[in-house]
Amino acid sequence: EVQLVESGGGLVQPGGSLRLSCTASGFSFSDYSMIWVRQAPGKGLEWVSYISGSSDTIYYADSVKGRFTISRDNAENSLFLHMNSLRAEDTAVYYCARAADKWELPYLDYWGQGTLVTVSS
Amino acid sequence: QSVLTQPPSASGTPGQRVTISCSGSSSNIGNNFVYWYQQLPGTAPKLLIYRNRQRPSGVPDRFSGSQSGTSASLAISGLRSEDEADYYCAAWDDRLSGGVFGGGTKVTVL
Repeated sequence: EVQLVESGGGLVQPGGSLRLSCTASGFSFSDYSMIWVRQAPGKGLEWVSYISGSSDTIYYADSVKGRFTISRDNAENSLFLHMNSLRAEDTAVYYCARAADKWELPYLDYWGQGTLVTVSS
Repeated sequence: QSVLTQPPSASGTPGQRVTISCSGSSSNIGNNFVYWYQQLPGTAPKLLIYRNRQRPSGVPDRFSGSQSGTSASLAISGLRSEDEADYYCAAWDDRLSGGVFGGGTKVTVL
């Protein structure tokens, strides 16, 4: 059974840092591109970042470029999102998701349960 | 402001057919597949439609997708109370080199 479990969310002050993790199981992790999607309270979904299976292709939304870093450890079946210079507008539930086809990145067939990041003083 | 445009809400009575539109441009829907996600209250999104009109196993055939030009739509026929959820369209955007979502449509079963 495919499972994605996020962790690392919490309360952080503006300007602070946080590292989110997503632990995968039930599939060959290195074969799949992975995506971070976030959802601000009461708002819609926002594509944040993706990373290819071999980490050779990475993308960031303009809203997080230069502040967030996506990475993965295929040996540990783990995906990470390092978030720096956090702002109030980064407050959201962060989901990790698997791209079912590396050529179709919006095709997200499995999602984690999400982890809440709150940026507030 | 989302790159893909959806109506904020839609509603219908049990058994009715409801259609949700998703409008984009030549850099996204006009040149790439469309995907639809269902998000029940308090849960993670779930894939509902992929490649414009394909349903993953387990998704009832009451849900159907279509695409024409730079627009797409999701139809829910035989509306049921458990269909009350938020629905999002998504596509790849060639100009942004990233994925984009619609703003979401809240479906209410009256």
